[in-house]
Amino acid sequence: DGGITQSPKYLFRKEGQNVTLSCEQNLNHDAMYWYRQDPGQGLRLIYYSQIVNDFQKGDIAEGYSVSREKKESFPLTVTSAQKNPTAFYLCASSIGGGLAGRETQYFGPGTRLLVL
Amino acid sequence: AQTVTQSQPEMSVQEAETVTLSCTYDTSESDYYLFWYKQPPSRQMILVIRQEAYKQQNATENRFSVNFQKAAKSFSLKISDSQLGDAAMYFCASSDTGRRALTFGSGTRLQVQP
Repeated sequence: DGGITQSPKYLFRKEGQNVTLSCEQNLNHDAMYWYRQDPGQGLRLIYYSQIVNDFQKGDIAEGYSVSREKKESFPLTVTSAQKNPTAFYLCASSIGGGLAGRETQYFGPGTRLLVL
Repeated sequence: AQTVTQSQPEMSVQEAETVTLSCTYDTSESDYYLFWYKQPPSRQMILVIRQEAYKQQNATENRFSVNFQKAAKSFSLKISDSQLGDAAMYFCASSDTGRRALTFGSGTRLQVQP
């Protein structure tokens, strides 16, 4: 089955620790995205990538980092510089290419990050 | 910057009745797409319906339809014959070719009363 997987489902971070959230897709999509969702709020864009080895900052990139070494994978690292990381993190992908920004995004099941 | 506004934080509907969720957006683009996504308690985001701005005909998907008013920049979602499984958060989103991503509204929580 084609789809997007995110792991872990729950993640706990200690003070000063970096943690990495995994996102993998087997849809052969070029574009991938990371969003943050706080309780009762919409999705805010953290980082996005339209092609391998290239990515751009979204609206709330401070305290986060990403890499895109493979088409299938787009891991997100929450660094110790992110002072309020408790949130639900959603990864998405889309076909990309000529329709970049206009095509349907498909989402993974999300990762809930909590601070100890 | 693009903005998407959902002015109804919560809505409630009786089972089998019809409900309309509102969305307005602001874009300077001429060729854009609009989306409604559903987020049930599982928190999995699911595409409900999509509208291409250059198409005048309103999109429909079974019990879901939109009222797209391009001049007013309005994009409402109508759910007919509401079912208990329709209870969820609903997010409106618009495309942004400038930054090649979607811009989401703050969501509307829909409750369905049996």
